[in-house]
Amino acid sequence: QKEVEQDPGPLSVPEGAIVSLNCTYSNSAFQYFMWYRQYSRKGPELLMYTYSSGNKEDGRFTAQVDKSSKYISLFIRDSQPSDSATYLCAMRGTSYDKVIFGPGTSLSVIP
Amino acid sequence: NAGVTQTPKFQVLKTGQSMTLQCAQDMNHNSMYWYRQDPGMGLRLIYYSASEGTTDKGEVPNGYNVSRLNKREFSLRLESAAPSQTSVYFCASSGGLAGAPNYNEQFFGPGTRLTVL
Repeated sequence: QKEVEQDPGPLSVPEGAIVSLNCTYSNSAFQYFMWYRQYSRKGPELLMYTYSSGNKEDGRFTAQVDKSSKYISLFIRDSQPSDSATYLCAMRGTSYDKVIFGPGTSLSVIP
Repeated sequence: NAGVTQTPKFQVLKTGQSMTLQCAQDMNHNSMYWYRQDPGMGLRLIYYSASEGTTDKGEVPNGYNVSRLNKREFSLRLESAAPSQTSVYFCASSGGLAGAPNYNEQFFGPGTRLTVL
């Protein structure tokens, strides 16, 4: 079993839809959870960063962590064509641990 | 402020050839990383350097060597390229205070697309 799993998609939604992207993980020591966005032929860029369980909101984006279920989610409200990208979840244990990335979910938002 | 730069952007090699991928950052970061990205596999860490003068193996180091030339530059060398090394290679850097929540926030370069025939 991989440490971090993500549905690879592709996920295709109409503009304005609410998008839910998810990751599951197996290591209960993970404490820091991140979402990276990667546009085609570009490097990943950090989108959101969450510590431990709970929700974090930033504009149209909400990150949710449920450590009891080992499950994290990223919600995108009012999705836009510019949100079309691959979304990678990432996580680590302590501040000194290496980051483990999920394989990514490809999202297309259709105008 | 260029961030993280990588050269070359594209490269085609024949099996057995060698090459060095170059990476530089201008953010005064201590830590630098090399990843490879393959379809369905996500980003896998090849080598990393926590500070100038130190390097450590990641998840998939076989077939690669690295050099942390100075604080800015971190190169990845393929001594004898194999078709299994066909991939997209990303360099990243991070520089938060050790122990701080953003310590491992990583900034990525644009990638090098390598094909080994």
